[in-house]
Amino acid sequence: DVKVTQSSRYLVKRTGEKVFLECVQDMDHENMFWYRQDPGLGLRLIYFSYDVKMKEKGDIPEGYSVSREKKERFSLILESASTNQTSMYLCASSSWDRGTLMTYEQYFGPGTRLTVT
Amino acid sequence: DAKTTQPTSMDCAEGRAANLPCNHSTISGNEYVYWYRQIHSQGPQYIIHGLKNNETNEMASLIITEDRKSSTLILPHATLRDTAVYYCIVRGRHGSGNTGKLIFGQGTTLQVKP
Repeated sequence: DVKVTQSSRYLVKRTGEKVFLECVQDMDHENMFWYRQDPGLGLRLIYFSYDVKMKEKGDIPEGYSVSREKKERFSLILESASTNQTSMYLCASSSWDRGTLMTYEQYFGPGTRLTVT
Repeated sequence: DAKTTQPTSMDCAEGRAANLPCNHSTISGNEYVYWYRQIHSQGPQYIIHGLKNNETNEMASLIITEDRKSSTLILPHATLRDTAVYYCIVRGRHGSGNTGKLIFGQGTTLQVKP
């Protein structure tokens, strides 16, 4: 079974702190994604990566950065946490077929509930 | 990616089939229909996807109309553990800024009742 793991289920940080959220997948997937989920707003894409050291901004990248030094690991960084970044953060991974350009289904981690006080 | 419309909520009796509709009238020819669900406090879970033919797997069946403007996810024998938010998503192929990202709407909250 595909497994996507996230470093913490619950995290509490103070305003201004630098926060690292780690995600690891064990299926050799090329694509990795970071979403945040808020009530009434659904899931929104923050950043994604389709290869090592490659990254693309999603719909709401402001206040975040990412790092992908190894294929299996995709980190989300909050440079200076703010209270409006309190949210559920979800990581996902998927593979894709370079021949057909078909992107396969995404597998999600359990999520990290971050509270910034 | 095409936009989808789903009912906000639905109820289903345990053991009965749950039929979840989705409208995607602006879908284009190379876009797929995906279904995910999210059980409370968990990450979303992939269920099934299709292009134009009906599909079935161990979790569910997907019925896509001939004009592809709508689809129905069928859970043949719903259980209490199927209570979740179900998302219908339309997505094209990789490339041209469409690098596999999923656009989640509000989904349908399915409540399976004993």
